[in-house]
Amino acid sequence: GAVVSQHPSWVICKSGTSVKIECRSLDFQATTMFWYRQFPKQSLMLMATSNEGSKATYEQGVEKDKFLINHASLTLSTLTVTSAHPEDSSFYICSARAGGALVKTQYFGPGTRLLVL
Amino acid sequence: AQTVTQSQPEMSVQEAETVTLSCTYDTSENNYYLFWYKQPPSRQMILVIRQEAYKQQNATENRFSVNFQKAAKSFSLKISDSQLGDTAMYFCAFMKHVDALNFGKGTSLLVTP
Repeated sequence: GAVVSQHPSWVICKSGTSVKIECRSLDFQATTMFWYRQFPKQSLMLMATSNEGSKATYEQGVEKDKFLINHASLTLSTLTVTSAHPEDSSFYICSARAGGALVKTQYFGPGTRLLVL
Repeated sequence: AQTVTQSQPEMSVQEAETVTLSCTYDTSENNYYLFWYKQPPSRQMILVIRQEAYKQQNATENRFSVNFQKAAKSFSLKISDSQLGDTAMYFCAFMKHVDALNFGKGTSLLVTP
């Protein structure tokens, strides 16, 4: 099946620093990748949609200058949390969608736990 | 905007028994997709089953089956012969065309010995 990886799996950083999270589709080309955020015991909330080679589309209420998304290739998207603060601590999950017969399904990465001190 | 409602925050079932998780949704679309995802304690999202709205036949995947009632906008998941490994959060999700997934709040399922 389609495999999506995320790196790092967890990260602890100081307030004010920036953190980059990578999302890779390992065995397929992802025309679209999605970034979600999940707080404890809550559902996944979509942050943004990124298409390869174009600017990401952010959901209402998500600060595009704080959560920088780059989708430079068909297998890699990155989320950079800039000037992180404790309230940014959360579980970040990416998903990737392929073309063709796989276009109806999103495949999820294992997630990244971010703790901002 | 589409909304997905899961009215059962928590459920439990004994091993080998059958359990049904409910999901309703609201949309004005005619063509869309519905999904059930499982999130075990590892927090990895795992696709359980998928249903295309244009298909009348209910999807099945081994012990997992759905009851899709398009007119009622209902999409319940039945787990047969429950196993301890089925313990997880279960999320119902709606997808319009090739948009992003819209998730319900989830149902926490506990399978007991």
